[in-house]
Amino acid sequence: DIQMTQSPSSLSASVGDRVTITCQASQDIRNNLNWYQQKPGKAPKLLIYDASNLETGVLARFSGSGSGTDFTFTFRSLQPEDIGTYYCQQYDKLPYTFGQGTKVEIK
Amino acid sequence: VQLQESGPGLVKPSETLSLTCTVSRASFSNYYWTWIRQSAGMGLEWLGHVSASGSTTYNPSLLSRVTMSVDTSKNQFSLILTSVTAADTAMYYCARARGNYVLDYWGQGTLVTVSS
Repeated sequence: DIQMTQSPSSLSASVGDRVTITCQASQDIRNNLNWYQQKPGKAPKLLIYDASNLETGVLARFSGSGSGTDFTFTFRSLQPEDIGTYYCQQYDKLPYTFGQGTKVEIK
Repeated sequence: VQLQESGPGLVKPSETLSLTCTVSRASFSNYYWTWIRQSAGMGLEWLGHVSASGSTTYNPSLLSRVTMSVDTSKNQFSLILTSVTAADTAMYYCARARGNYVLDYWGQGTLVTVSS
C-alpha cells in the first residue's frame, strides 16, 4: 500500500497567517491526490482535487500544489472557520489511502 | 446530492455488519459508490466501491470478509462485512466518487460498535 505521511500532525496559527501543510507519498503518485477538510462530528469535505484544482464552491483562500511524492496544501490567510482536520488522499494505486491528518487550530 | 447511511449501531463479535446507503438526487451512472470508515486507530480507511453495473473493487485487507452491492431501483448501495471484531468498530461513511476518484459527496456517517 502507498503510505501518505502528513506534517505537521497538528498546528496552531493566528488569523491571517499563511499556513502550509505537507503530504508525502511513499512512491510516485503523479498528481493523483485530493485534499479534504473535516470538522468535528462531520464527514470530510472535498477541497482540492488532482493536487491543485479547487473544488467548485470552495473559497479560493485554499490552494494545493505538488506532484510525484511531495505535495502541499496552503491556507493563504487562515480564518477562524478553517479549524478542523485536513487529510490528503491518493488515488494512483489501489488500495486508495489517506494521510493521518493535520489538526489546525487558531491561536 | 445527498447520501444517508443506515443500519445497526451495535454488532456482536463474529457476527455480520450490514449497512445501506440511500442516495437522493443523483444518477448512479458514471460514479463509484464508495464505503470508507474512520477509527481512532486506523484513521480514514477506504473499504471499496461498487459501480452502477454492480462491479466491485475492495481493499485487499478486507477481501475475504467484504461484499458490496447496488440496487439502482431503490437508489441504494450496501456494505456487508462478516466475522467482525472490535477492530471493525468505526464511523462508517458512504460517499460518491467521480472522475479520478474524487470523493465529492459524503453521507453524515454512522457509528458501528462491535461489542458483546
